Amino acid sequence: SQKIEQNSEALNIQEGKTATLTCNYTNYSPAYLQWYRQDPGRGPVFLLLIRENEKEKRKERLKVTFDTTLKQSLFHITASQPADSATYLCALDPNGGATNKLIFGTGTLLAVQP
Amino acid sequence: SAVISQKPSRDICQRGTSLTIQCQVDSQVTMMFWYRQQPGQSLTLIATANQGSEATYESGFVIDKFPISRPNLTFSTLTVSNMSPEDSSIYLCSAPWGGGETQYFGPGTRLLVL
Repeated sequence: SQKIEQNSEALNIQEGKTATLTCNYTNYSPAYLQWYRQDPGRGPVFLLLIRENEKEKRKERLKVTFDTTLKQSLFHITASQPADSATYLCALDPNGGATNKLIFGTGTLLAVQP
Repeated sequence: SAVISQKPSRDICQRGTSLTIQCQVDSQVTMMFWYRQQPGQSLTLIATANQGSEATYESGFVIDKFPISRPNLTFSTLTVSNMSPEDSSIYLCSAPWGGGETQYFGPGTRLLVL
């Protein structure tokens, strides 16, 4: 079956450390993968998109990697801050980018302790 | 960027009744999507709201239960019909932006059915 899985457990880290979140997918061949942040009571907010031909993408303290052989994306937040505490969702278009529909992963709750 | 608003932000409804949720985008967009987020779960795509034609529903969702309107390129409604407690969720609308790959989300409508 097709599915997208993220760290099921909440991730607790100390302020200043690097948080690493995992997104694994099966039976998809996405043209790209996206990461979103969701705060309680709010809609998801887009963070980064990485394409199938890109190994790594960075934006300020964020870094995303994409391994289409492993069918995995890693999302890193360096020098983490308590304000980074939120649920992080990975998402992909199951139709290879043709439809703009998104299938979301299960989400990982990140808690950064001061 | 796009600004998406939803009304109502939350509601408490009795079983058997229907609720219509409105979604307004501040610019014209080709596609709009409706998602459901059940408590503690990730987002599940309900349907694509197409302007000038019927909505396209995902597996497990039907028009009789979730009728959708899309009268123009900036507005859509989702109705949750004949509600039961299992319909208690957050309902979110979204629209693709830029090259169409990333999505902007509304703040969501939190629905509780008693």
